[in-house]
Amino acid sequence: DSGVTQTPKHLITATGQRVTLRCSPRSGDLSVYWYQQSLDQGLQFLIQYYNGEERAKGNILERFSAQQFPDLHSELNLSSLELGDSALYFCASSPLIPLQGIPEAFFGQGTRLTVV
Amino acid sequence: DAKTTQPTSMDCAEGRAANLPCNHSTISGNEYVYWYRQIHSQGPQYIIHGLKNNETNEMASLIITEDRKSSTLILPHATLRDTAVYYCIVRVASGGSYIPTFGRGTSLIVHP
Repeated sequence: DSGVTQTPKHLITATGQRVTLRCSPRSGDLSVYWYQQSLDQGLQFLIQYYNGEERAKGNILERFSAQQFPDLHSELNLSSLELGDSALYFCASSPLIPLQGIPEAFFGQGTRLTVV
Repeated sequence: DAKTTQPTSMDCAEGRAANLPCNHSTISGNEYVYWYRQIHSQGPQYIIHGLKNNETNEMASLIITEDRKSSTLILPHATLRDTAVYYCIVRVASGGSYIPTFGRGTSLIVHP
């Protein structure tokens, strides 16, 4: 158990819909990362938040957005869903402040999103 | 940003040492080498990391060559539960953050 909690574990929804994935980081971790893993793409970094602020962006579509709340949990919002958005979505958290040491990222068990 | 090259797949007999190589010939002086693994459809799991010196923890050992252009992850006594995809990554800096960036990794199969 990494200490990172993601809900829901599974989600099935129709094309065009909007869903919200939730992540609770490890206690004390200020940094949260979101990744997408589909069969043909591997693990793709989407976005990082640190203490409520967006810190880095990767290959995140405009239809996707995320935020980190004051209690440090994070949500990933996926809208206008397409079949190709079906994937595993992982959240990771990191215990150290960027630039002060090298953080180790701890991953949750993921949310499996199926768009039908 | 340094890229890594790993064999696509390897296999190992249970109880034997599994040696997983990784090439990172363009690594810069302040970049660390990290290893993660992902057991089927589970979240990636941190294994070990290092900069210059060899490192060991309860899971594995990491051997980094003197020129830092390659490294080897060693699982000293592989078990069936070590069957997973192993990722060797170097830290990618973006706007002051360090973001684990994953390649395709090595699929390790441990057989009885």
